[in-house]
Formats: sequence, C-alpha cells, structure tokens
Amino acid sequence: DTEVTQTPKHLVMGMTNKKSLKCEQHMGHRAMYWYKQKAKKPPELMFVYSYEKLSINESVPSRFSPECPNSSLLNLHLHALQPEDSALYLCASSLGDRDFQPQHFGDGTRLSIL
Amino acid sequence: AQTVTQSQPEMSVQEAETVTLSCTYDTSESDYYLFWYKQPPSRQMILVIRQEAYKQQNATENRFSVNFQKAAKSFSLKISDSQLGDAAMYFCAYRSGLSNSGYALNFGKGTSLLVTP
Repeated sequence: DTEVTQTPKHLVMGMTNKKSLKCEQHMGHRAMYWYKQKAKKPPELMFVYSYEKLSINESVPSRFSPECPNSSLLNLHLHALQPEDSALYLCASSLGDRDFQPQHFGDGTRLSIL
Repeated sequence: AQTVTQSQPEMSVQEAETVTLSCTYDTSESDYYLFWYKQPPSRQMILVIRQEAYKQQNATENRFSVNFQKAAKSFSLKISDSQLGDAAMYFCAYRSGLSNSGYALNFGKGTSLLVTP
C-alpha cells in the first residue's frame, strides 16, 4: 500500500473543463512535489511546496495551479488544458530537510485531455 | 544544473543472473544524494537503493547494490539473482543537498529492464 494517496487514478477531461487532482500523505512530511511524466520518459518536476509554501515553480503554464491547504494535502487545479498536457501526474512527499530520507511517491493520476 | 545520464535505454537479463545498470551524473556540488527508483507497469515509483555522496561505502539492499565512484561521478546498480518481478523501468536520480533545490529529484532517462525465464 502506498503511503501517498492520489485521486483520481484516471481522469479524462475536455479542454474547457476545470478539474482538480488531489494528493494526501499522513507521514508528517513537510515537502510535497508535483511531477509530470510522459510515456517512456522520466518524471519532470513541476512544483515544490515546503512547509505549505510554494518554493519552486518550474515555469509551469498558469493553466496548472497548485494549492497546499495544509501539510497533509496537495492539490493541482487544472483549467483549459491542452492535448499535450496528457500525462501521468505524480505526487511525492519527503521530510523536506537535507537529510537522507527519500521521496515517497503516489500511484499517480493518468490524465487524458480530449 | 545537474545532469543524470543513463546510457542504456534497454537491458535484458535471464532469471537468476546478474545485471548492472549504469548511471553517470554531472555536478559541481559536494553535498548530494543519489537514488535508484524502480517503476513497474503499475507505475508507482519505488525506491530501490540510496547513497550519500560523502559515504565511500557502497550501499547494499538485499540483492541490490551500487558501485559508487565519486571521482568518476558514476553510480551503477547491480541486481543479483534477477527475478521476474525485477522487470521494470529503472531511474537513477540525483538530489542536491542545497535547500534552494527544494530537495527535488533530477532523473535520468531510465533503463527498461527485461527479465527472461
């Protein structure tokens, strides 16, 4: 069982829809991450939240809007997406310090844009 | 920026045999961590093994071990006694020890490992 829970597992949406991806962890981690992964490619960093504050935005288009309501929850709000945004979206969490602890990943949300 | 290179897009190994996946990285930092993650078709990223840069001793986790050559900036993964369940995409990842990195992972392109009976 994964300790990072992502919902939904699959999402199909039109280009004019608004939807949200959700990520939850209860490990007391203070850093949370969104990665985008295209088929047969490595994950690419989108956003980093550290202690509930956005610390890194890797020049992600504004049609992706992250939100961290509390230390356990991370959302990714989607609006007016393009077909090239179809991908697997992975959430991860870590202690958020420079220690040795690894990131823990969720199972991802597979997003398809029609 | 740090780069991680996995030069083997695909590898194949027979069950019970040993295989080595290569990874090199480029960095000017002295404080960093290296990881191998496995991603089976079920798509969850699973930590295989990790290494702190300041530790000279190579990490070992059961059938998995690394050959960490800091001067050469090389971090290869050895899988012994390969099992069918080892079939997956393997990603080498670098994590900076600097706080302005957000401690995010920088991944190589991955190596797809096929295990044959």
